[in-house]
Amino acid sequence: AQSVTQLGSHVSVSEGALVLLRCNYSSSVPPYLFWYVQYPNQGLQLLLKYTSAATLVKGINGFEAEFKKSETSFHLTKPSAHMSDAAEYFCASGTGGGNKLTFGTGTQLKVEL
Amino acid sequence: NAGVTQTPKFRILKIGQSMTLQCAQDMNHNYMYWYRQDPGMGLKLIYYSVGAGITDKGEVPNGYNVSRSTTEDFPLRLELAAPSQTSVYFCASSYSTGGLNTEAFFGQGTRLTVV
Repeated sequence: AQSVTQLGSHVSVSEGALVLLRCNYSSSVPPYLFWYVQYPNQGLQLLLKYTSAATLVKGINGFEAEFKKSETSFHLTKPSAHMSDAAEYFCASGTGGGNKLTFGTGTQLKVEL
Repeated sequence: NAGVTQTPKFRILKIGQSMTLQCAQDMNHNYMYWYRQDPGMGLKLIYYSVGAGITDKGEVPNGYNVSRSTTEDFPLRLELAAPSQTSVYFCASSYSTGGLNTEAFFGQGTRLTVV
């Protein structure tokens, strides 16, 4: 069975600082991994996805994530936070069967001046 | 394109009432899903469908029913509403062949309160 763990339900950074949101996965088979962002009262929007083509994945809005099999991690980073990045971020894992996603519990990112 | 459209956006139900949450997608996706989102819990899969006429249970199916008579529509039915079903419900769709995971597109959500 798959599981996804997001460390830190709330993360606060200053504008211009590095953003690091942590995600660890547990899967018996090579996973597909995703990061989604949710703005208030909105649905989820895909930031980026890992499908085994490359370990460093670049997404929208300057975000990227690195797949590290040895650490079973897929942490999300952005070099310089912007006020507009304030949102909730979800890491998710999927397998080929049924295309079903297993979500982490989410990390609320706050960006302060 | 409209993408994934959910109606209604908000609803208040009394305990024991029933309702149907509507979901439609115009992307010709074969896979569709219903998730519920509760604070601090992430999203939990309720039901999913791999194509018209085929549905299957997810992680938290109790108290819900679904049908998939067309590719476009995937309604979620609550027969006897309970306070535990107070949540935000998201419908999503994706296209997949050969088991390759592709991006899931989400609707805007339905906020349901059962009182």
